[in-house]
Amino acid sequence: DGGITQSPKYLFRKEGQNVTLSCEQNLNHDAMYWYRQDPGQGLRLIYYSQIVNDFQKGDIAEGYSVSREKKESFPLTVTSAQKNPTAFYLCASRASLANYGYTFGSGTRLTVV
Amino acid sequence: AQSVTQLGSHVSVSEGALVLLRCNYSSSVPPYLFWYVQYPNQGLQLLLKYTSAATLVKGINGFEAEFKKSETSFHLTKPSAHMSDAAEYFCAVSVNQGAQKLVFGQGTRLTINP
Repeated sequence: DGGITQSPKYLFRKEGQNVTLSCEQNLNHDAMYWYRQDPGQGLRLIYYSQIVNDFQKGDIAEGYSVSREKKESFPLTVTSAQKNPTAFYLCASRASLANYGYTFGSGTRLTVV
Repeated sequence: AQSVTQLGSHVSVSEGALVLLRCNYSSSVPPYLFWYVQYPNQGLQLLLKYTSAATLVKGINGFEAEFKKSETSFHLTKPSAHMSDAAEYFCAVSVNQGAQKLVFGQGTRLTINP
């Protein structure tokens, strides 16, 4: 079955360390997105990519970085510059037409210890 | 720019009662509208979507929503709540322009009382 795989499900990081969250899709979707979810704040867009080798900042990109070297993969790096990285991170992808909506992964919960 | 407002961060209903979750949107162009459901520590699952066809949209698990342009609303309803409906629900808007980003509301946590 096609879908989006996020790994790991739970991740612990020490302060000052960079960490990379994985997102892989086998849906042949062109666009991919990273959202951050905090209690009571809904989902906020970090970065998105509409095609390979191209990506744009979302609303809260500071302290994060991404790459899109393959259509299937869109990893997110949480850098030490991110002041409050503890959150639930969701990856999503979308087919070419906007009316199809997004398909979401199951998320990665990052905790800074 | 488009935006979404969900009225009520928490809604509690009794099992068997009507579920009504409110969503109002703002968009300068005809929108696409979506409702997603999220269970604890999981991703979002699409419940239903409005894409400019029928204004009354039926989704999974007995949910439906009605697009009302005059009220800029897209409220989610279910005639009879079930314990398994307890979850967080997100309304989202997108437009068929540019990056076609989804903009989400703050979410409504639905609790079902036995």
